[in-house]
Amino acid sequence: LAKTTQPISMDSYEGQEVNITCSHNNIATNDYITWYQQFPSQGPRFIIQGYKTKVTNEVASLFIPADRKSSTLSLPRVSLSDTAVYYCLVGGGNTNAGKSTFGDGTTLTVKP
Amino acid sequence: KAGVTQTPRYLIKTRGQQVTLSCSPISGHRSVSWYQQTPGQGLQFLFEYFSETQRNKGNFPGRFSGRQFSNSRSEMNVSTLELGDSALYLCASSLQAGHTGNTIYFGEGSWLTVV
Repeated sequence: LAKTTQPISMDSYEGQEVNITCSHNNIATNDYITWYQQFPSQGPRFIIQGYKTKVTNEVASLFIPADRKSSTLSLPRVSLSDTAVYYCLVGGGNTNAGKSTFGDGTTLTVKP
Repeated sequence: KAGVTQTPRYLIKTRGQQVTLSCSPISGHRSVSWYQQTPGQGLQFLFEYFSETQRNKGNFPGRFSGRQFSNSRSEMNVSTLELGDSALYLCASSLQAGHTGNTIYFGEGSWLTVV
């Protein structure tokens, strides 16, 4: 199993860029990296997914170095509404859900 | 396009009772998995179904069971409820199995409180 490690918490201010790193030293060749955002009392919401290098969508970027042993979620210009828990998931989706590992999550607090 | 739908959203049960939670995946999605989320244990995988067959199972006792129907809808059941079963139960669906890089989408969850 690919064990993941994330910082427990991070603080930021509105308008800043936030980078959250996830370590996954024993990631398997077929594993993808997916990030989710979760608000209290809600299910995790898909943010972005990648396999290698850089992926960008309308809300975030995901940077994955060549060795794939870590990944960094980048949130540009955060707002108060970005305060949430962010999870890194390493694995192969539902097919290998039993072998997918959620990190403990990073609680991001955005301050005015 | 509707997302993953879970019912009920909230429920309270007594120790020793049993509970059934329901999940309707995103239209066209054939794979469904279930997770338990608690403050102390985080997100833990329960089981995964594809085409009515259980493909993977997490490390939970036999009191936790599930099934998937031909229309991909899924149910999970917990028998002989214990206080420690109080948690948010999340259902997630994805388009297919047998393909790495599948994106799984979560429902809003069912909050179970055991008293």
